[in-house]
Amino acid sequence: RKEVEQDPGPFNVPEGATVAFNCTYSNSASQSFFWYRQDCRKEPKLLMSVYSSGNEDGRFTAQLNRASQYISLLIRDSKLSDSATYLCVVTLNTNAGKSTFGDGTTLTVKP
Amino acid sequence: EAGVAQSPRYKIIEKRQSVAFWCNPISGHATLYWYQQILGQGPKLLIQFQNNGVVDDSQLPKDRFSAERLKGVDSTLKIQPAKLEDSAVYLCASSSGTRVQETQYFGPGTRLLVL
Repeated sequence: RKEVEQDPGPFNVPEGATVAFNCTYSNSASQSFFWYRQDCRKEPKLLMSVYSSGNEDGRFTAQLNRASQYISLLIRDSKLSDSATYLCVVTLNTNAGKSTFGDGTTLTVKP
Repeated sequence: EAGVAQSPRYKIIEKRQSVAFWCNPISGHATLYWYQQILGQGPKLLIQFQNNGVVDDSQLPKDRFSAERLKGVDSTLKIQPAKLEDSAVYLCASSSGTRVQETQYFGPGTRLLVL
């Protein structure tokens, strides 16, 4: 079983749709959680951190459920520019803070 | 502020040859990471430095891969000898401190093709 698992998709949605991605992690020692975005043939970039209380940044909402070891990302009012691969990242609570990336979920937003 | 720099951007070699990649992190960033990203997969951490010390290299194939970070600034990753399965994008990232919550900033990557 992979340490971080994501539904690979692809998710194909029309503009304006709401779409949700899920991510599960296996190591209960995980401390910090993130969503990164990766455009085709580009490097990953931080989209948002995920906090225990849940957090929102514009059209994006991230939630964490420690009991179920589950993270989610909700995108409302999808734009064409949201088309990308979304990577779930989990970091251990060791001093070094080793990060493990999921394999990503691909989103295509169509006109 | 300049981002993470990597070179070369592309490299094609034959199996059993050697190759080296270079990374210059964002100025002042204490932590440097090397990741391997195979097509269709997420980045896999190969090695993590804090300043010039290694804090995690558990997934580095040490029989063929080596990395160093001299003077706690730039870093090189070497593969010797290369195998077909090493074909991937090698990403370097840096973060400003040592806390687990900090953002990792990635360079553009080096695309390696082993023939």
